[in-house]
Amino acid sequence: AQKVTQAQTEISVVEKEDVTLDCVYETRDTTYYLFWYKQPPSGELVFLIRRNSFDEQNEISGRYSWNFQKSTSSFNFTITASQVVDSAVYFCALSEAPLIKAAGNKLTFGGGTRVLVKP
Amino acid sequence: DGGITQSPKYLFRKEGQNVTLSCEQNLNHDAMYWYRQDPGQGLRLIYYSHIVNDFQKGDIAEGYSVSREKKESFPLTVTSAQKNPTAFYLCASVGRGGVDSNQPQHFGDGTRLSIL
Repeated sequence: AQKVTQAQTEISVVEKEDVTLDCVYETRDTTYYLFWYKQPPSGELVFLIRRNSFDEQNEISGRYSWNFQKSTSSFNFTITASQVVDSAVYFCALSEAPLIKAAGNKLTFGGGTRVLVKP
Repeated sequence: DGGITQSPKYLFRKEGQNVTLSCEQNLNHDAMYWYRQDPGQGLRLIYYSHIVNDFQKGDIAEGYSVSREKKESFPLTVTSAQKNPTAFYLCASVGRGGVDSNQPQHFGDGTRLSIL
């Protein structure tokens, strides 16, 4: 069975500080996908990034960066120079590759990390 | 604009009552999903459907039912058998991505259900 653990339930920082969110996953599959979603106070989930298990390159998108390390089963997320608008709950999720194309991608979510950025 | 519409935004259920949450998408997506989110917790999968007239149970299907009569619509009924229905419910959809079918799911704004 697959599992995603986000050990940090809440992180509080002052604006412009960097913040790193940890995500550790478990899966028996060799092919899988990892996702990060942001949930602002309004409630909807906003997709941030998808990474497949064969691509261990780190990625940077603006103030966001992701560090995927297969050896430690981790997919950590860093917000650089945080802003008040970054305040949200962030979810890490795992999807195993479906056996058939039509099977879609059931997601297993971590418990989420609430980030509070104070001005 | 294309997207996923969930209604109502807030819903109250009386004891012994069934209630239905609506989820409509105009993204032409094949697959649709229902998740439940409890305070301070992650999302858990209730039901999913990859094609019209077919759906599968997720991890916490007991006390819920769904239908998929149209590609655009995937309503969720919370039955009286669900003893603890108070939660935030999120609907999602995803289209086929060809060889790479693990496309990111698109989410609606959610429905918050409470017991009266």
